[in-house]
Amino acid sequence: DTAVSQTPKYLVTQMGNDKSIKCEQNLGHDTMYWYKQDSKKFLKIMFSYNNKELIINETVPNRFSPKSPDKAHLNLHINSLELGDSAVYFCASSRPNTGELFFGEGSRLTVL
Amino acid sequence: GENVEQHPSTLSVQEGDSAVIKCTYSDSASNYFPWYKQELGKGPQLIIDIRSNVGEKKDQRIAVTLNKTAKHFSLHITETQPEDSAVYFCAARSFGNEKLTFGTGTRLTIIP
Repeated sequence: DTAVSQTPKYLVTQMGNDKSIKCEQNLGHDTMYWYKQDSKKFLKIMFSYNNKELIINETVPNRFSPKSPDKAHLNLHINSLELGDSAVYFCASSRPNTGELFFGEGSRLTVL
Repeated sequence: GENVEQHPSTLSVQEGDSAVIKCTYSDSASNYFPWYKQELGKGPQLIIDIRSNVGEKKDQRIAVTLNKTAKHFSLHITETQPEDSAVYFCAARSFGNEKLTFGTGTRLTIIP
């Protein structure tokens, strides 16, 4: 009965590879997000989708491409991985009206 | 855009003592101020929030105060317990804006 689930939990890959992280929420929320947390624990928003429409697109390299096939899913694809992409990526969804964010457990990406 | 500063970055307190974490924000249009707690290996979780129409909110051992004039808000934890050890994030958002801007985090350690 996990609310926001993301897979995989850990990803170790070489520079230049392409990888994807998947996220699903069973809370019935309309809005989903991707956040990046670096080694210093800074949490920065990357993207937000509302009902499959992109509503927030921060200054993120276009190697990062989010895709929302339906409002319960938001996936993140990263092309040509670089060392600086190593981080923990969090998916979240938000409750309407209150705006409370519900986070997944994170996907730790390590680029070698 | 919004900028949220958070202090201190690390805080150690004796079990049973109080802990205070402070944040300042830059956008006077911000009207929603949540606090999130992130335990090791988990995603952040909302613990308390406050809206700009109130100055203080309390929930058992946790309280948040807001000073709109000075644009700062604080988290107070009383009678601290070992399970309070975690990283705490403040955040701010303005009405109608889906983007929540996080502070830089405070690592709180409760010393038994």
